[in-house]
Amino acid sequence: DAGVTQSPTHLIKTRGQQVTLRCSPKSGHDTVSWYQQALGQGPQFIFQYYEEEERQRGNFPDRFSGHQFPNYSSELNVNALLLGDSALYLCASLWGGGSYNEQFFGPGTRLTVL
Amino acid sequence: GIQVEQSPPDLILQEGANSTLRCNFSDSVNNLQWFHQNPWGQLINLFYIPSGTKQNGRLSATTVATERYSLLYISSSQTTDSGVYFCAPSGSRLTFGEGTQLTVNP
Repeated sequence: DAGVTQSPTHLIKTRGQQVTLRCSPKSGHDTVSWYQQALGQGPQFIFQYYEEEERQRGNFPDRFSGHQFPNYSSELNVNALLLGDSALYLCASLWGGGSYNEQFFGPGTRLTVL
Repeated sequence: GIQVEQSPPDLILQEGANSTLRCNFSDSVNNLQWFHQNPWGQLINLFYIPSGTKQNGRLSATTVATERYSLLYISSSQTTDSGVYFCAPSGSRLTFGEGTQLTVNP
């Protein structure tokens, strides 16, 4: 049973560039959430995708956007990168979008913006 | 949104010691999860515990939803228990606290 996978594991970009991160959910899950974790802090919710639509959004600017594909995998896009976007980006999956079922996390993508 | 407070922020133990980590939250929740984040950043599921008590080996957790807190007990700690422990209650999305940094020395 494959768990949540994310790619790439590490990424280095410069200010102003754009980045795309990818996530494949755990087998049997249909909902994907994205979180940003700055150094020394807890993860913060960015948004959640279910049925290929953004269902919930945290307090993040429009530079952060996403997509969910018919196979339930998801992408997180960040435009016009700022130094403050440097963080660990975590993807979580669950079954039953918007429900309160247990969420499982991927290993994360560590983004460094120079 | 829900406010989450975890205590203590840092904890240093000798191998074999027991510990209790606390999580207070500000509003009623439908879900609460405890995670262990290893040094590589992976969040490992420990418990899904909206209410009641669960045990898994040396770890156990209790959530008293009516009083808005949850406790994580670690018994006979091992060096591999080191890392950051997060609780994450959920109204409509998981909200993480700042975590407890646990260091277990041999």
